[in-house]
Amino acid sequence: EVQLLESGGGLVQPGGSLRLSCAASGFTLTSDAMSWVRQAPGKGLEWVSAISGGGATTYYAESVKGRFSISRDNSKNTLYLQMNSLRGEDTAVYFCAKDPRGGLEFFDKWGRGTLVTVSS
Amino acid sequence: QSLLTQPPSVSAAPGQKVTIACSGSSSNIGNNYVSWYQQLPGTAPKLLIYDNDKRPSGIPDRFSGSKSGTSATLGITGLLTGDEADYYCGTWDRSLSAVVFGGGTKLTVL
Repeated sequence: EVQLLESGGGLVQPGGSLRLSCAASGFTLTSDAMSWVRQAPGKGLEWVSAISGGGATTYYAESVKGRFSISRDNSKNTLYLQMNSLRGEDTAVYFCAKDPRGGLEFFDKWGRGTLVTVSS
Repeated sequence: QSLLTQPPSVSAAPGQKVTIACSGSSSNIGNNYVSWYQQLPGTAPKLLIYDNDKRPSGIPDRFSGSKSGTSATLGITGLLTGDEADYYCGTWDRSLSAVVFGGGTKLTVL
C-alpha cells in the first residue's frame, strides 16, 4: 500500500528555518514526481513546490521562490522541503503528494500533513 | 484570490444530485487537464477525478467530472451524509508555471 508520512513541523520564529520530511512506502520515490501542497488554517489548498522523478527539475510557487528548497534522498525514499526565512503567512499544514505522471496534472496520493506555525 | 473560481458552498438533500463549478481561463483550464479532490473534515485531500473526467479505482461512479472551454464541473449523485466535505478543483497554469487550485466548495448534505 502506498503511504506518505510527513514530519518535521512545529513552532518556529519569523525568519527561522525548518526542514520537513516525507517518508514514502509502498512505492519507489524515483518512479514519480512529488509535490508539497500547503493549507493555511481555515483556508484552501496552495501548491508550494515540485520535484521530478529523477530529481533534476524543480518548481516553486512565487510565494516561496528563493526561500524554500525541495529535494529527495532516493536511498531513504524520502522527500524534503527546506524552508528558510519563514514568515507568518507560511503557517499551514504541509502535505506531500505523489504525482504519478510527473506533469503536475494531478496528485493521486497525499500524506496526512504536518503543521508549521510561524510565530514569535 | 484563486485563479480558479468555485462557489463557496453548495447544499442538497440526501439522495439528490449536486454540481460544483470551477471557472478558469485559457492559461489554465482552457488548455490543461482538470482534477478534483475531496477533503473530509480534518483529513488530507483525496483524488476524485483526474484528466477532466476519469475516476481513480475505488471512486464510485456517483462522482463525475466534465470540462467545457475554460470551465469544469464536478457532479455528485445519490448524495450521502458522508459526502459532506470540501471539494477543490486543480490544474496547471501555464502563465504562472504553477499548479493552481480553486478556493474550495463546502458541500452540505441537509
